[in-house]
Order: sequence, then C-alpha cells, then structure tokens
Amino acid sequence: NAGVTQTPKFQVLKTGQSMTLQCAQDMNHNSMYWYRQDPGMGLRLIYYSASEGTTDKGEVPNGYNVSRLNKREFSLRLESAAPSQTSVYFCASSEALGVGQPQHFGDGTRLSIL
Amino acid sequence: QKEVEQNSGPLSVPEGAIASLNCTYSDRGSQSFFWYRQYSGKSPELIMFIYSNGDKEDGRFTAQLNKASQYVSLLIRDSQPSDSATYLCAVNMGSGAYKYIFGTGTRLKVLA
Repeated sequence: NAGVTQTPKFQVLKTGQSMTLQCAQDMNHNSMYWYRQDPGMGLRLIYYSASEGTTDKGEVPNGYNVSRLNKREFSLRLESAAPSQTSVYFCASSEALGVGQPQHFGDGTRLSIL
Repeated sequence: QKEVEQNSGPLSVPEGAIASLNCTYSDRGSQSFFWYRQYSGKSPELIMFIYSNGDKEDGRFTAQLNKASQYVSLLIRDSQPSDSATYLCAVNMGSGAYKYIFGTGTRLKVLA
C-alpha cells in the first residue's frame, strides 16, 4: 500500500519554464490537497479538491493551476515558473473534506527555480 | 496575530523526560485539532487528533485541548532521541470556507 505518491521527487527549472507535479493516492480518499512548505512559513494550502470533479483555491493559489484527473490523481501545474515558487511541495489526501479529517501526505517534491 | 501559533524552539529535553509542546489558535469556531511530526527532509506524519475538551492519550502521547483558552498541547512522555523532530499543529477551522491551517512547528531535541 503506497499511500500518496508524488512525482518527481526533485526538479530544477529555469524561470519561465512550465511543469506539472503529479500526485496519486490509493486509499480511495475523496479529498486531495496541494501544499507548499517554505522555511519559517509552515505549510500553506495552494489548492484543494473536495471530491472528484471539484477544485478550489487555498491560501496561495497565484501562479498555479490544478486538475483532478480522477478520484486517485490530482496534479499541480506551474505555467511560468518564478524563483518565488522555489519550495517543497506536498500532496495530501483525506477521506473527506470536513471537520476531523486527518490528512495523509506524500513524500514531497523539492522544486528549485533558477 | 497568526491563526495558529507555535513556539519555533528548539525545545531541548533530556531523554526520559516529558516534552510539552504548545499551540494556540485564533478562530473560536475551530472544531478539530491535529498534531503531525516531521523529521528533517521528510513529510509530515499524523500523530493524533482531538475534537473535545480534555485529554486524549495514545501510547506515550497525550493531546490536551482547552477551547475556552484556544489552546492545544501535546505531551510526549519518556522522550526518546528518536522523537527529535519538528511538531506541527494543525487546526480545522469550522467557520466559513474550508480552512485547515498549520502552525510553523516546534523543533524538539531530545538529548541522550
């Protein structure tokens, strides 16, 4: 049982390049999330998907887009990467959106924008 | 005021002692509270969660919640060097749109 799988684990991009971070979960969870983690800032929610077919903005959505491809997969796209997007990105999932739902995290993608 | 606040630490405790980690939150409508452990370079992993006022125990871990004071804590008994990590408090705020806010974490060092 892999849980939440993220690819790639590491990536270096040049400013202006685009890329998609992939996330898949095998726990049959309905809700999925994308976070970024920066030193001193903690984890900040970029986008979330309450269920298949829906996505909503989180705290820091600018510069990102997401796609909930199916129940298992939730991707994050950077259309034109900027150095400010250098961060560690975590995907997470939970059974549902709502009170009392713990989140399960993938191993993260370490992204550097030069 | 940050929505979820934690002392960044490091909090240093000797092996075998009780480590006490604290978290305060701003939204009185918050309904559930989570503690995650994050080792350096790794992803957060859930330790435990609590909804009701009082204490909840799971092995060496005890979560304490006081909604009147907007305060949640995590006690680690018989601390081990392997407990050295950053502990993240997360709050699922119940009012308005979905909000699941993490604190910036407290770094714990257990000294052998």
